[in-house]
Amino acid sequence: NAGVMQNPRHLVRRRGQEARLRCSPMKGHSHVYWYRQLPEEGLKFMVYLQKENIIDESGMPKERFSAEFPKEGPSILRIQQVVRGDSAAYFCASSPDDREQYFGPGTRLTVT
Amino acid sequence: GDSVTQMEGPVTLSEEAFLTINCTYTATGYPSLFWYVQYPGEGLQLLLKATKADDKGSNKGFEATYRKETTSFHLEKGSVQVSDSAVYFCALSDRTGGSYIPTFGRGTSLIVHP
Repeated sequence: NAGVMQNPRHLVRRRGQEARLRCSPMKGHSHVYWYRQLPEEGLKFMVYLQKENIIDESGMPKERFSAEFPKEGPSILRIQQVVRGDSAAYFCASSPDDREQYFGPGTRLTVT
Repeated sequence: GDSVTQMEGPVTLSEEAFLTINCTYTATGYPSLFWYVQYPGEGLQLLLKATKADDKGSNKGFEATYRKETTSFHLEKGSVQVSDSAVYFCALSDRTGGSYIPTFGRGTSLIVHP
């Protein structure tokens, strides 16, 4: 059973461009969470999704950020018009229920 | 709201030393408790968990006991190795009140010297 997959692992974008981060949950998992991690800091929750539904997006900025988890295909975190402050590691986690989580390796976004 | 407090790091130990990383929590309900480990450049991995009071989670020589009376879930290992160097996160998941969002501590960095 493959683990949670994220791609790309590293992404470089210029200010103003769009960043698309993908997450394929573990087989059979219908809960997906996105987190952001800055150096020397803990995990900051962004959004929680189930198939075709956003359950909780209280941690996600209202502007420029969006997330989806379609019926088919990976979950996508989209950041429009990136700024330097968006540079961070973004982690996706999946869960068969809503308790223990299985994390992907992360996407390290660098905005130049 | 729910919260998790971990001891600040870094914790620096020599190989074969005893490890304790303190974790305390506040929760409105009866949470499940977790320890995750993050190695450099990687995502978090579930290390162990406990779902009710007095449960002991254990894995790879690490242990933690769910203490409801002290709202604690301290991580221990009897003899650390250099390969245990990583960041350790304490977390809880509390469904009471309808919240499905886990709460993580800020993480504690462990450095083990040969």
